[in-house]
Amino acid sequence: AQKVTQAQTEISVVEKEDVTLDCVYETRDTTYYLFWYKQPPSGELVFLIRRNSFDEQNEISGRYSWNFQKSTSSFNFTITASQVVDSAVYFCALSEAGDYKLSFGAGTTVTVRA
Amino acid sequence: NAGVTQTPKFRVLKTGQSMTLLCAQDMNHEYMYWYRQDPGMGLRLIHYSVGEGTTAKGEVPDGYNVSRLKKQNFLLGLESAAPSQTSVYFCAIWSGYEQYFGPGTRLTVT
Repeated sequence: AQKVTQAQTEISVVEKEDVTLDCVYETRDTTYYLFWYKQPPSGELVFLIRRNSFDEQNEISGRYSWNFQKSTSSFNFTITASQVVDSAVYFCALSEAGDYKLSFGAGTTVTVRA
Repeated sequence: NAGVTQTPKFRVLKTGQSMTLLCAQDMNHEYMYWYRQDPGMGLRLIHYSVGEGTTAKGEVPDGYNVSRLKKQNFLLGLESAAPSQTSVYFCAIWSGYEQYFGPGTRLTVT
């Protein structure tokens, strides 16, 4: 069975601070995919990134960066120089190849204060 | 979210009533999914379909039924609604790279 744990329920920061969201996963599959989604207050789910199990390269996209470490089964997400528009719930998710069902973590609510 | 639409956007049901949620896609994708989102629990998979005429159970299928008679549409039915089914329901498709979600349906069962 797959499992995704986001230990941080809520994080509150002041604008321009960096914030790191933790994600730890469990799976027996050797081929799997990891995702991060953003859910702003408007409620829609926005895809941010996908990582394949065989690709441990870290990725940076603007102020967002992701650190994937298979040795610790973690896929952490950092927002650098946070902005008020980053306030949202962020979900980490895991799927296996084949039917691509997603197992979600419980989500981390990020509040960025001006 | 133009490619995945959900009908209705909001609905209030009384306990015991039935209803059907419609998910429609205009992108010809094979895989479709229904999730529910509850506070503090993330999204949980209810049912999914890997093609027209197929359906399969997810993590929390009890109390729901689904049908995929046409490739473009994936229907989620509640035969006898219960207060525990109060939730936000999201439909999604597999794009080939990520799951792409519809805007959601907020359902309240009183």
